[in-house]
Amino acid sequence: GAVVSQHPSRVICKSGTSVKIECRSLDFQATTMFWYRQFPKKSLMLMATSNEGSKATYEQGVEKDKFLINHASLTLSTLTVTSAHPEDSSFYICSARDRSAEQYFGPGTRLTVT
Amino acid sequence: GQQLNQSPQSMFIQEGEDVSMNCTSSSIFNTWLWYKQDPGEGPVLLIALYKAGELTSNGRLTAQFGITRKDSFLNISASIPSDVGIYFCAGQPQGAQKLVFGQGTRLTINP
Repeated sequence: GAVVSQHPSRVICKSGTSVKIECRSLDFQATTMFWYRQFPKKSLMLMATSNEGSKATYEQGVEKDKFLINHASLTLSTLTVTSAHPEDSSFYICSARDRSAEQYFGPGTRLTVT
Repeated sequence: GQQLNQSPQSMFIQEGEDVSMNCTSSSIFNTWLWYKQDPGEGPVLLIALYKAGELTSNGRLTAQFGITRKDSFLNISASIPSDVGIYFCAGQPQGAQKLVFGQGTRLTINP
């Protein structure tokens, strides 16, 4: 299957700082990437849909100025958590979609804000 | 909004037993996907279904796309310890790019 990478896998930052998470499709071009957030023992919660070359579409309740998404190429999307606070601590997962409807997920990024 | 009801929420079985889980919805979906997630990892795609009535196997896994396009099931035969994890169904609604996820089924296997 297709491979999606995420970097970093774990990050600890201080409250008030910003953190950037990268999502890359390694062996295919992804016109669409998705960013999810997952709380412990819960399902995946879609945050936004990222289309290459255009503005991301955010789900209801997700602050676009808080979670900045950039999809500058067909293989890279970034999520920046700005002015992070402890409540932003979570497991963030990206996925990339190829020409079919199949979404391939990255390994996730564990963010801890102290 | 569209929702998927996945059941059961958890299963405790003996190694070697067969497993069955399903997802239902009041809405029609074009595509059904089944994923497995291990702790601290991203979900891994197991099976993708595209047509109503489609039955697809992947090793010991079998999944079907319901004829009404509102449900799907996943069966695992002869379970082994590495099958432990959380299984998610996901459906793609008509005209949408995004997926709707079920709540997950946590599988625990006693050796």
